[in-house]
Amino acid sequence: DGGITQSPKYLFRKEGQNVTLSCEQNLNHDAMYWYRQDPGQGLRLIYYSQIVNDFQKGDIAEGYSVSREKKESFPLTVTSAQKNPTAFYLCASSMYRGLTEAFFGQGTRLTVV
Amino acid sequence: EDQVTQSPEALRLQEGESSSLNCSYTVSGLRGLFWYRQDPGKGPEFLFTLYSAGEEKEKERLKATLTKKESFLHITAPKPEDSATYLCAVFYSGNTPLVFGKGTRLSVIA
Repeated sequence: DGGITQSPKYLFRKEGQNVTLSCEQNLNHDAMYWYRQDPGQGLRLIYYSQIVNDFQKGDIAEGYSVSREKKESFPLTVTSAQKNPTAFYLCASSMYRGLTEAFFGQGTRLTVV
Repeated sequence: EDQVTQSPEALRLQEGESSSLNCSYTVSGLRGLFWYRQDPGKGPEFLFTLYSAGEEKEKERLKATLTKKESFLHITAPKPEDSATYLCAVFYSGNTPLVFGKGTRLSVIA
């Protein structure tokens, strides 16, 4: 089945650790996105990528890093510089940036322990 | 200032009690407005795209409409399974991808 797969579903991070969230899509979409969702805050854009080997910062990129080495994959690393990483992270993809609907994965809930 | 504002923040309806959710936007050069449904602990599910003022889309008990400044999501005779958070997002003439509102939490009570 075509879709977006995020893993893991739940992730626990110790203080000072870097962790990487996986996002894979088999929809042949060009654009991919990472959003962060906190209670009462809606979805906030972390990074996005329109083509392989290119990505742009979103509104809250500090403390995060991404790569786009393959069209299908857009992993997000939450670094130790991110002071408040506990949140629900959502990956999405679309055929073209903004012009068509974005489809979302099922999310990764990251908790700092 | 928020570019996309959704109201109300939360809405509680009796089963069968029709109502509307509002999404107002301040961006200029709107190129598309999107509605999503999100269940707790899950990713948003795409519902509708609206591209121009006057456009309407329907799906089961949901109907989305668009004007030059806002969109409405009308829910006719809702059922408990319609309970979810409904998100609105816009794409406009600029360099950023979809900009989301904070959502409306809908609860439908049997």
